[in-house]
Amino acid sequence: KQEVTQIPAALSVPEGENLVLNCSFTDSAIYNLQWFRQDPGKGLTSLLLIQSSQREQTSGRLNASLDKSSGRSTLYIAASQPGDSATYLCAVRQGGSEKLVFGKGTKLTVNP
Amino acid sequence: GAGVSQSPSNKVTEKGKDVELRCDPISGHTALYWYRQSLGQGLEFLIYFQGNSAPDKSGLPSDRFSAERTGGSVSTLTIQRTQQEDSAVYLCASSQYGPQETQYFGPGTRLLVL
Repeated sequence: KQEVTQIPAALSVPEGENLVLNCSFTDSAIYNLQWFRQDPGKGLTSLLLIQSSQREQTSGRLNASLDKSSGRSTLYIAASQPGDSATYLCAVRQGGSEKLVFGKGTKLTVNP
Repeated sequence: GAGVSQSPSNKVTEKGKDVELRCDPISGHTALYWYRQSLGQGLEFLIYFQGNSAPDKSGLPSDRFSAERTGGSVSTLTIQRTQQEDSAVYLCASSQYGPQETQYFGPGTRLLVL
C-alpha cells in the first residue's frame, strides 16, 4: 500500500529565505506526482505536476524535483514571501490506479 | 464555469439524517473525483468518475456512502444515516480527460454531524 510522508509537518521562516519541503513515498511505481497548496478553509490549488518520466518542473519561484527510484520529491521555494504561507500537500498517482494518495502536508508560515 | 464549484459550502446535520453534497466540475472535464479530509488526517480518495460511470469506488468507507454523476457533468455524493465520524471536509476535483492530468479542486463542503 502506497504511503506518502511529508517532513517537516510545520515550518516557520523569515521572509526572503529559500526553503525546501520534502515528500517521500514507499512505492516507486508511480504515474505522476503533484504538489498542491491549501489555504485555510479553501480547496487545493495545483502548483506543479511531474510525470514519472520527468526529473523536475518549474513555475516562477517554485521548483519541484522527482527521484522516483529513491521515492522522493522536493519542492523548492525561492525568496519566500508572507503570501506563500499555506499548507503544502504532495500527492502521488499510483501506476494502474486512478486515485491520488496524499501526504498530510507541511504547514508553512513566512514571517514578515 | 471558471472552476469547480461545490454546494453547500457548510452543512450541519443531526446524526442519523441523510445529506447530499453537490459538485459542478469544470465544463468539458470528463473525469471527476471525490475526496474527504478529516481533522488530523490527510486527504483520502473516495470515488472516481469517468463520464457517468465510476470505475473506481474503492475509497467509499461504507455502504452508507454513494455517488452518482449525470450528463457527464454534475455529481452528487450522498451519505445516509450520518454518523459523527462522517464530519469532515468533502472535496471534489475534476480533470480534463483522466488522472494523468492536473486535478482541479473545488472549495469543499464542510460537514458537521452533531
